[in-house]
Amino acid sequence: EPEVTQTPSHQVTQMGQEVILRCVPISNHLYFYWYRQILGQKVEFLVSFYNNEISEKSEIFDDQFSVERPDGSNFTLKIRSTKLEDSAMYFCASGGRRGEGTQYFGPGTRLLVL
Amino acid sequence: SQQGEEDPQALSIQEGENATMNCSYKTSINNLQWYRQNSGRGLVHLILIRSNEREKHSGRLRVTLDTSKKSSSLLITASRAADTASYFCATDQGAQKLVFGQGTRLTINP
Repeated sequence: EPEVTQTPSHQVTQMGQEVILRCVPISNHLYFYWYRQILGQKVEFLVSFYNNEISEKSEIFDDQFSVERPDGSNFTLKIRSTKLEDSAMYFCASGGRRGEGTQYFGPGTRLLVL
Repeated sequence: SQQGEEDPQALSIQEGENATMNCSYKTSINNLQWYRQNSGRGLVHLILIRSNEREKHSGRLRVTLDTSKKSSSLLITASRAADTASYFCATDQGAQKLVFGQGTRLTINP
């Protein structure tokens, strides 16, 4: 069964450093998402992406964040200058249809900012 | 206002019993989805129920949706130790995002 994959599974970085989290969505999906979950808290939406552009973003997704689909398979989340409060589990998700479809989540990347 | 609030926050039952978790939300939705998360792991999709559906089954799972009350319930029948996890409801309001609740921590005691 196709699944969303994410790399790395864990990343430790120093405050102020740039990180890139990578995702390979399910191959025939058209909608891509990033969510995050701070330890012990609920899963929060960051951004959705369709047709090579951002379609929706949350207040969390400020100028330090960017997303890209550099080729036909990868979907990346970049944090330009990490802060301590960026420490969280970051989930990528993909879906085939807008509004009526399931979102399938990857296993997550646990980011720790020191 | 908060969407997708689960109730109870924690539930502990004996293996073989049924587990019921509830979710309430505040705005209109396209669909509501339930996910499971094992400790520190990813989100596994369980079931999606559309706004025009009232009940849906998948194996030992039964989901109901009452749009007039803006609530949903997830029933797991004949629970197993492997069902121990956190369960989240997530609402799709058509704005290209899911809004998650805080989740219910379910513990199945052998």
